[in-house]
Amino acid sequence: EAQVTQNPRYLITVTGKKLTVTCSQNMNHEYMSWYRQDPGLGLRQIYYSMNVEVTDKGDVPEGYKVSRKEKRNFPLILESPSPNQTSLYFCASRRGRSYEKLFFGSGTQLSVL
Amino acid sequence: DAKTTQPTSMDCAEGRAANLPCNHSTISGNEYVYWYRQIHSQGPQYIIHGLKNNETNEMASLIITEDRKSSTLILPHATLRDTAVYYCIVSNFGANSKLTFGKGITLSVRP
Repeated sequence: EAQVTQNPRYLITVTGKKLTVTCSQNMNHEYMSWYRQDPGLGLRQIYYSMNVEVTDKGDVPEGYKVSRKEKRNFPLILESPSPNQTSLYFCASRRGRSYEKLFFGSGTQLSVL
Repeated sequence: DAKTTQPTSMDCAEGRAANLPCNHSTISGNEYVYWYRQIHSQGPQYIIHGLKNNETNEMASLIITEDRKSSTLILPHATLRDTAVYYCIVSNFGANSKLTFGKGITLSVRP
């Protein structure tokens, strides 16, 4: 089944403790992206990647890192999480053409205490 | 990208057609209209998209006015599982392909 898989689904952590949220897609998609969703603010893009080894900042990249060493994986790294990064996170992917539809993962609910 | 305006909420009876409107009066010639939906806190799900012509797929129909300033998403036979937030998005999809999600419209399907 074609899908975008995120792990974990829920994560509770403390301020400053480094964490990684994994994202993997099995559709051989070139493009991958991370969004965060907060009440009243909608979905905002954090980072995106047009292909392997090509990443760029979205609208809210501060406090996050990403890497794209393999086509299928696009992990989101929080080196020193803070409470304002408590949010619902979504990974998405699509084929290379810009008008293609996005496939989203099921989400990761992160709470930073 | 052009901005969209949607009602905050609407409801419809199960089994009836749900017609969800969207205004995008500043849309430009190379911008597509996309519809996604989000059920509770799940990941957004693509429904349909179009440029000028009306489109239909297994989930819904998209009717775009001739001047392209508004569109309507039609769910022909709404079910309780269609209760969700529906997002109308206009984008010319530059290289980033960033989708700007607004507040969307909350559709409640009642038994």
